[in-house]
Amino acid sequence: DAGVIQSPRHEVTEMGQEVTLRCKPISGHNSLFWYRQTMMRGLELLIYFNNNVPIDDSGMPEDRFSAKMPNASFSTLKIQPSEPRDSAVYFCASSTGLAGLGEQFFGPGTRLTVL
Amino acid sequence: GQQVMQIPQYQHVQEGEDFTTYCNSSTTLSNIQWYKQRPGGHPVFLIQLVKSGEVKKQKRLTFQFGEAKKNSSLHITATQTTDVGTYFCSHSGGSNYKLTFGKGTLLTVNP
Repeated sequence: DAGVIQSPRHEVTEMGQEVTLRCKPISGHNSLFWYRQTMMRGLELLIYFNNNVPIDDSGMPEDRFSAKMPNASFSTLKIQPSEPRDSAVYFCASSTGLAGLGEQFFGPGTRLTVL
Repeated sequence: GQQVMQIPQYQHVQEGEDFTTYCNSSTTLSNIQWYKQRPGGHPVFLIQLVKSGEVKKQKRLTFQFGEAKKNSSLHITATQTTDVGTYFCSHSGGSNYKLTFGKGTLLTVNP
C-alpha cells in the first residue's frame, strides 16, 4: 500500500498566485482530512470529507480557501489568491472511521511558501 | 470544539531517563488519540483510548485515560534517541466528531 499521496511536496509561489494541493487517500478509506501545521498555531483541521461529502469546513480560514473531493480517490485544496501568512505545511489524511474516530493515516505533507 | 492542553511544551532528557507528557481538558472527553511526529515528518497514530481509567502499553510506552475522562498521559520508560519527536494528543467530539489536536510536547533526547 502506497499510503496517502500528496503533491507537490514543496511549493514556492508569489503572493496573489493560485495554489492547488492534491491528495490521493488510501484505497477503501471513506474519510479524508486536510490539516495545516504552523509553529504558531500547531496542527489545525481545515476540512474533512466523509464519502466524498464535506462534513465540517469550520476550520477553513476564509473564502480564499476551497476544497473539493470529486471522487473517492482524489481531493484538492485550493488557495486563491495566496498570501504570505498561508505559508505552512499542509497535510492530507485518510481513515476508515467516522471523522476523527480511530487511526488517521497522514500523507507526507506539502510545504507551501508564499513570498 | 473542546480544547485540550498539553504539558510540558518541551522536554529534554538524557537517554535512559523516563518521560511523561500530559493532556488535559476542562470537559469530559469521549476519546483520546496519541500521535507522534518525527522532525520533518508527518503525524503517525500511536493509540486510541475510549474507556475511563483505560491503560494500554506498547513496549516502553504506557498510555492512560483518566477516570474522569478529562486527562490522559503518555509515559516512555528509558528513553532512546529514536523517541525524539513531538507527541500530540487529540480527541474527536461534537456533532461532527471533529478532531482537535493539542499543541504537542517536543521531546529531545541527549545520547
